[in-house]
Amino acid sequence: KAGVTQTPRYLIKTRGQQVTLSCSPISGHRSVSWYQQTPGQGLQFLFEYFSETQRNKGNFPGRFSGRQFSNSRSEMNVSTLELGDSALYLCASSNHRELTEAFFGQGTRLTVV
Amino acid sequence: AQSVTQLDSHVSVSEGTPVLLRCNYSSSYSPSLFWYVQHPNKGLQLLLKYTSAATLVKGINGFEAEFKKSETSFHLTKPSAHMSDAAEYFCVVSEPQKLVFGTGTRLLVSP
Repeated sequence: KAGVTQTPRYLIKTRGQQVTLSCSPISGHRSVSWYQQTPGQGLQFLFEYFSETQRNKGNFPGRFSGRQFSNSRSEMNVSTLELGDSALYLCASSNHRELTEAFFGQGTRLTVV
Repeated sequence: AQSVTQLDSHVSVSEGTPVLLRCNYSSSYSPSLFWYVQHPNKGLQLLLKYTSAATLVKGINGFEAEFKKSETSFHLTKPSAHMSDAAEYFCVVSEPQKLVFGTGTRLLVSP
């Protein structure tokens, strides 16, 4: 059974640009959530989707957005990139309505220059 | 809101000695608790989970954790450290539709 797949693995973008990250969950999993990991702030929750509906959102500016498709694949978008957006972005999938078990992808390392 | 506190930012052990990584939680109801491990430049791997069944939880790679409600603790232990255990460990509590992470404990294992 394939795990959670995140693409691309690495990205370098310039300030002001926008970026789209992709996450394919484990087959059959309907919940996808996103986290940002930085040395200063640790792991912070961005948002969670279940069956194409955003159920929860973290405390991030509106430049961060996401969506989930009917096949459960999810994308997150960051517009008007800032240097502080440089981070490891992790996606997790779960087959439970409540997060009793979540499996993570290897992440996308975003560097903003 | 629920939270977890990892009491040590770094723990150093020698190979073959026991490992203890400490975690306290704060929750207004019976929580779901997890330990995840992250090796350098990797994603997060689930070590074990507690979801109100047995209070002593066994995980992968010889790790286990004990849920102690009276102490609001969920410490991670392993009887004998291996070099491959060197990594960052996160104690995590589940809220509706999201996970709340501790700040992490870096485990260093020396030969």
